[in-house]
Amino acid sequence: EAGVTQFPSHSVIEKGQTVTLRCDPISGHDNLYWYRRVMGKEIKFLLHFVKESKQDESGMPNNRFLAERTGGTYSTLKVQPAELEDSGVYFCASSQLPGANNEQFFGPGTRLTVL
Amino acid sequence: DQQVKQNSPSLSVQEGRISILNCDYTNSMFDYFLWYKKYPAEGPTFLISISSIKDKNEDGRFTVFLNKSAKHLSLHIVPSQPGDSAVYFCAAREMTSYDKVIFGPGTSLSVIP
Repeated sequence: EAGVTQFPSHSVIEKGQTVTLRCDPISGHDNLYWYRRVMGKEIKFLLHFVKESKQDESGMPNNRFLAERTGGTYSTLKVQPAELEDSGVYFCASSQLPGANNEQFFGPGTRLTVL
Repeated sequence: DQQVKQNSPSLSVQEGRISILNCDYTNSMFDYFLWYKKYPAEGPTFLISISSIKDKNEDGRFTVFLNKSAKHLSLHIVPSQPGDSAVYFCAAREMTSYDKVIFGPGTSLSVIP
């Protein structure tokens, strides 16, 4: 069974440009999550989809970030316009069920560098 | 405001000895705790968890201890192996928001052969 995949693995852009990150969850997983790790600090929650609906987007830093999950399959996270502080590793995770005991499976991450 | 703290950024241990990774938390609403392991260029993978109603959970070489009154947990790895070298993240979930995992900054463990 394929795991969570993310594309691209690395992205280097200039401040003010737009970048779109993609996440393909494990097949059959209705729950999809985005997280971000900045500069070796903690991994921070960004948002949670259940199928195509945003269940919790309390971690989204500002309106320059837009997440979508059309059709409830893959998800994209767009940053427009990118700022220097957006640099970091963006992780996507998916789970089959919500709740306390449900394991979230993480992808390898996309390393974003904003120059 | 960091709710999950791992005050040791790194730890080195000899192969075969015990590794103890510590974690402190501030949010009394946390009722489920997890440890994740991360290798370079990979995402975190779930290692072991513990509910707040327990004080110990064991899985093979890995044991997690929870001291709720002190808001402290620790991960013990016995015996440590070179393949255990990785970044270990302590994480927690709130009882009202189970899908949001709150991570600590991680501790980089090096097991020296």
